[in-house]
Amino acid sequence: DARVTQTPRHKVTEMGQEVTMRCQPILGHNTVFWYRQTMMQGLELLAYFRNRAPLDDSGMPKDRFSAEMPDATLATLKIQPSEPRDSAVYFCASGLPRQTGTYEQYFGPGTRLTVT
Amino acid sequence: LAKTTQPISMDSYEGQEVNITCSHNNIATNDYITWYQQFPSQGPRFIIQGYKTKVTNEVASLFIPADRKSSTLSLPRVSLSDTAVYYCLVGALPGNTPLVFGKGTRLSVIA
Repeated sequence: DARVTQTPRHKVTEMGQEVTMRCQPILGHNTVFWYRQTMMQGLELLAYFRNRAPLDDSGMPKDRFSAEMPDATLATLKIQPSEPRDSAVYFCASGLPRQTGTYEQYFGPGTRLTVT
Repeated sequence: LAKTTQPISMDSYEGQEVNITCSHNNIATNDYITWYQQFPSQGPRFIIQGYKTKVTNEVASLFIPADRKSSTLSLPRVSLSDTAVYYCLVGALPGNTPLVFGKGTRLSVIA
């Protein structure tokens, strides 16, 4: 069955290094979300795209985070430079709008990032 | 977006029915109520969505009173595999704003 895929599943890096996380949304889904999850903050929405256009990235630290959708099959989240406080699980989700106007979001398995 | 309040955690024995209540006092007229489930080391998974009265699917039931200021997710006869965090979300998309996840309810099912 169709699934959202994310790579890498785990990433350990040193402070100051660039990190790129990739997401392949479910084919046909026109909306992609990036979330970050930590024990302290829970699930935080970082950014989301509809039809590849960024609609809201107010949840992202603008100075170091960037999100793009080069094409309909790939979404990327980049952190440069990374810091220890960025350590978290990053989830990508894709979805289609329901008739209710809300989304049924399909989440990927996440990328567990550890910045030392 | 309507703010939601859920219990932080709940415990239940296998085979019991579990009811998780979510308060959303400032729910708007066009808001829907959606529940997600998250297992350890996985992303959240959509369970059920409703607007009023009762909705039932193969996984759960959702009870929404007439005033819609709360909702109750009901899991029949839970098993150990239902141990997860359950999130209640309230909102719609009047503009382009997606639903916001709160802290959720951590359900622990005990044998």
